[in-house]
Amino acid sequence: QVQLQQWGAGLLKPSETLSLTCAVYGGSFSGYSWSWIRQPPGKGLEWIGEISHSGVTRYSPSLKSRVTISQDTSKKQFSLKLDSVTAADTANFYCARGSGSYANWYIDLWGRGTLVTVSA
Amino acid sequence: QSVLTQPPSVSAASGQKVTISCSGGNSNIGNYYVSWYQHLPGTAPKLLIFENNKRPSGIPDRFSGSKSDTSATLGITGLQTGDEADYYCGTWDSRLSAGVFGGGTRLTVL
Repeated sequence: QVQLQQWGAGLLKPSETLSLTCAVYGGSFSGYSWSWIRQPPGKGLEWIGEISHSGVTRYSPSLKSRVTISQDTSKKQFSLKLDSVTAADTANFYCARGSGSYANWYIDLWGRGTLVTVSA
Repeated sequence: QSVLTQPPSVSAASGQKVTISCSGGNSNIGNYYVSWYQHLPGTAPKLLIFENNKRPSGIPDRFSGSKSDTSATLGITGLQTGDEADYYCGTWDSRLSAGVFGGGTRLTVL
């Protein structure tokens, strides 16, 4: 059974860089896209961005200037960096597996989530 | 403000049927498949419907999806207390070149 295991710092100060990594266990890394999605407290899901199996990245226009998603296919891992965080970035961050198709875009597997709090 | 519009909440009695709507435009629902997700408190979201109306393995046929023009609908029959959750629609948006979710709908089973 394929599982996503994610880790990273859960408490940051304003202006610091958020860094999370997600590892894929029990399944293939190729043929899918690998996404990051967040949910601020009391709010809905927000797509942050994704990286395709070929390394092409797409980012949310509202976060594009601060986000970098990268992957290490040899380790079957992908990572998120979000620069210059503020309190507004406090959220539960999920890593997720996407269908790999824009015409038929969906997320079929989610990590357990990491609560990241930004506070001075 | 989400690109896809969902009602904030819906409710129905146990055993009854409920529908949740998701409204978008030509840059998203009008030209792309829609997916639906169930999010129970404290857990990871779960894919319920993909390609407008297909269910992944393990999802009961009480859950159904449909799409017409720029709107989509999730239907749940035989409501159970365990169905109380937040439900989100999702799709790709070509104008934004981004994945998009609806604002979410909280289902209450009375």
